[in-house]
Amino acid sequence: GAGVSQSPSNKVTEKGKDVELRCDPISGHTALYWYRQSLGQGLEFLIYFQGNSAPDKSGLPSDRFSAERTGGSVSTLTIQRTQQEDSAVYLCASSSSGRAESDTQYFGPGTRLTVL
Amino acid sequence: GNSVTQMEGPVTLSEEAFLTINCTYTATGYPSLFWYVQYPGEGLQLLLKATKADDKGSNKGFEATYRKETTSFHLEKGSVQVSDSAVYFCALTATGANSKLTFGKGITLSVRP
Repeated sequence: GAGVSQSPSNKVTEKGKDVELRCDPISGHTALYWYRQSLGQGLEFLIYFQGNSAPDKSGLPSDRFSAERTGGSVSTLTIQRTQQEDSAVYLCASSSSGRAESDTQYFGPGTRLTVL
Repeated sequence: GNSVTQMEGPVTLSEEAFLTINCTYTATGYPSLFWYVQYPGEGLQLLLKATKADDKGSNKGFEATYRKETTSFHLEKGSVQVSDSAVYFCALTATGANSKLTFGKGITLSVRP
């Protein structure tokens, strides 16, 4: 079946602009995660959605970052007033429930963001 | 807090060599442990996992055993192939942490023919 998809695959923007990154999780998966992969920081958790519960935003690095998940499916990560340090690959993952620590998370191909 | 420490890389091996990639962790409670792999030009994918002490995860000839006494989850393969060239990440999910993954820094493995 279809895996996790993300768009765009690449995004180049100018410092100070806003960007939106999209994630389509695997159908039926109730848990959705955003991570960031950068050279300096490795792979970092950003935010977690589980069903209709309030999201866990504990990994968002600043208030310029926000995310929403509409209808329990598609998610959008928004970065306002982008900075050069935001340049990274943004990864989305989904899992069937997110309630068990043993659940497998399935990752999308990522969006490579470059801030000039 | 929770953390994962991987051995420094990169690692270069000849085909059919034995592979060990070390991974140790710090976590509260009883974490689940994972190895993820990222092949060139591809997304991150699960290689294997273990969810309780003394469990052994295995896949594609790779193995790792959850050792609670040494807080380790070392990855091993008896005979590597060129196609195993990739970046390998050790990770954990901790009790009460919303199943979010905490990753090690990753290690690049290159296998020469």
